[in-house]
Amino acid sequence: GEDVEQSLFLSVREGDSSVINCTYTDSSSTYLYWYKQEPGAGLQLLTYIFSNMDMKQDQRLTVLLNKKDKHLSLRIADTQTGDSAIYFCAESIGGTALIFGKGTTLSVSS
Amino acid sequence: NAGVTQTPKFQVLKTGQSMTLQCAQDMNHNSMYWYRQDPGMGLRLIYYSASEGTTDKGEVPNGYNVSRLNKREFSLRLESAAPSQTSVYFCASSEDQDSYGYTFGSGTRLTVV
Repeated sequence: GEDVEQSLFLSVREGDSSVINCTYTDSSSTYLYWYKQEPGAGLQLLTYIFSNMDMKQDQRLTVLLNKKDKHLSLRIADTQTGDSAIYFCAESIGGTALIFGKGTTLSVSS
Repeated sequence: NAGVTQTPKFQVLKTGQSMTLQCAQDMNHNSMYWYRQDPGMGLRLIYYSASEGTTDKGEVPNGYNVSRLNKREFSLRLESAAPSQTSVYFCASSEDQDSYGYTFGSGTRLTVV
């Protein structure tokens, strides 16, 4: 069955890079996503990558996809305190809804 | 503002009471979804509606019913609330099931005592 795994916590200092990792199980995933959830709010789409791409860069965000290992990562450069949030990895399998990981809580200290 | 609107934002129910969570989107999206979020569990899909007139069960449908009232609205009903249904409920929509990205509502925080 489908499953998305993430580490639960990451703590970094302001200005450092953050790397959040995710593994998924279904090789037929068409898109893979990163969502951000700030306290008390809904989820916001951060970025996504199509399954035939290896990398996608969007300002401070870099997404790397290793299809062979079914591994997805999100790198945030120059992490700021405003980046503190829960980050969810999600996969899209055609014909059904998004499957989310349990979320990684990113804590940024100054 | 365009987006997904959920009502109410907060609700406390007694065990056995019923209630309906409302969700409406104004983006002309075809697909709509209900998720619940629990600490350490991430988001789990309750029901979804690929298009107007269709609904399907997700991972955790027991104890819930849904209605796709029209293209805009997708409601979630708890017929007899249980403490295990204490959670934050999110509604989301997308252009269709295969389009990238969902738009989420801000959530309904439900407590069942």
